[in-house]
Amino acid sequence: AQKVTQAQTEISVVEKEDVTLDCVYETRDTTYYLFWYKQPPSGELVFLIRRNSFDEQNEISGRYSWNFQKSTSSFNFTITASQVVDSAVYFCALSEAVNTGTASKLTFGTGTRLQVTL
Amino acid sequence: NAGVTQTPKFRILKIGQSMTLQCTQDMNHNYMYWYRQDPGMGLKLIYYSVGAGITDKGEVPNGYNVSRSTTEDFPLRLELAAPSQTSVYFCASSYPEREGDNEQFFGPGTRLTVL
Repeated sequence: AQKVTQAQTEISVVEKEDVTLDCVYETRDTTYYLFWYKQPPSGELVFLIRRNSFDEQNEISGRYSWNFQKSTSSFNFTITASQVVDSAVYFCALSEAVNTGTASKLTFGTGTRLQVTL
Repeated sequence: NAGVTQTPKFRILKIGQSMTLQCTQDMNHNYMYWYRQDPGMGLKLIYYSVGAGITDKGEVPNGYNVSRSTTEDFPLRLELAAPSQTSVYFCASSYPEREGDNEQFFGPGTRLTVL
């Protein structure tokens, strides 16, 4: 069975601080996909990144960066120079690789609530 | 494209009432999903569909039913509402670019309260 653990329930930082959100996953599959979603106070889910298990390169997108380490089964998310608009709940999710024609189901972590204050 | 739309946005039900949550997508996605999000928790899969006429249970299907008569629509039905079904319901759709590598596009959610 797949499992995603986000041990940090809530994090509070002051604007311009860097913050890292942790994600640890469990799966028996050798091929799988990892995702991060953002849920702002308005409630919708916003896709941030997708990473497959064969690509361990770190990725940077503006102030966002992701560190994928298969050796520790972690897919951590760092926000550099945080801003108030980054305040949201962030979810890490995992999906298995399946054959075409079979839906790949996402397993979500419980989320980390990030509060960025002035 | 409107993406994934859900109606209603909010609803209060009495115990034992029934209702249908509507979900429509205009992206011609084959795959559609229903999730529920309980307070302070992640999303859990209720049902999913890989195409018109094909549905399957997810992690928490009890108390719900679905149908998929068209590619665009994937309604979720609650037959006998219970307080345990108070949650936010998200519909999602996807079209896999590669096997399993499917970004799911989410609707805005329906907040349901059962009293």
